[in-house]
Amino acid sequence: GAGVSQSPSNKVTEKGKDVELRCDPISGHTALYWYRQRLGQGLEFLIYFQGNSAPDKSGLPSDRFSAERTGESVSTLTIQRTQQEDSAVYLCASSFMAGYTEAFFGQGTRLTVV
Amino acid sequence: AQSVTQLDSQVPVFEEAPVELRCNYSSSVSVYLFWYVQYPNQGLQLLLKYLSGSTLVKGINGFEAEFNKSQTSFHLRKPSVHISDTAEYFCAVSDLEAGGTSYGKLTFGQGTILTVHP
Repeated sequence: GAGVSQSPSNKVTEKGKDVELRCDPISGHTALYWYRQRLGQGLEFLIYFQGNSAPDKSGLPSDRFSAERTGESVSTLTIQRTQQEDSAVYLCASSFMAGYTEAFFGQGTRLTVV
Repeated sequence: AQSVTQLDSQVPVFEEAPVELRCNYSSSVSVYLFWYVQYPNQGLQLLLKYLSGSTLVKGINGFEAEFNKSQTSFHLRKPSVHISDTAEYFCAVSDLEAGGTSYGKLTFGQGTILTVHP
C-alpha cells in the first residue's frame, strides 16, 4: 500500500496478557516512530528507529514495553503483562529522512485492556 | 533534550474569525518545526513545516506559521477559519543534535483542540 499500515486496528485484551502491535512503514522510509495517545492527551513518544542506528528507547514507560524493527521494514511493538493504564491508541509513523521530511502516520491501533 | 509547550489546550472561535494557536519549544540545539492536524476520527497529517529560510511558512488550508528564534516560538495562524477547521492541532520539533541516537526524533506538544462555531 501507499501509506503506513498498522494492525490490528482494534485490540481488546485481558489484563496480564501480552499483545503485539505491527507497523508496516512506507517503503524506503528510514525512520520509524511509535507514539501513544491516551484519551484526551497528546502524543507520548515511545521509541524511534533510524536506519541501522541504535534505537532511541527513552520513551518506553517500563520494561514491559519493547519494540523491534527488521532492517528498514516492519516494526513490532510488544507490551507484556498488559495493565489497564496501557489502554490507548498506539500510533506508528515513518519518514524518508528523519526530522527533515514529513512523517506519515498510520491510523493507529486502539488497545483496550479489560 | 527538547520539549514543546502548546499554551492552549482548547480554543473556541466563531466561523470567519482569525485564530492563533501558540507553540513554544525548548532545545539546546537547532530544530526543525512542524504543525500537524488530526481531524475527528482520522490520522495525523502535516499542515506545514519550517526547516530554514523565510521565517513565515505557509501550509495547507490557508494556515501559516511564523518561526521566532528569539522567543523560541512557532505560532500557527489563520485569518479566517471555517467549520471544517475543527480539529486537534499538534506542534512538533525534530532533534538536530548530531551524533545522538535521538537525531531526527520528533517531539510533540500536548495538542490544541480548535472548535469553530457557526
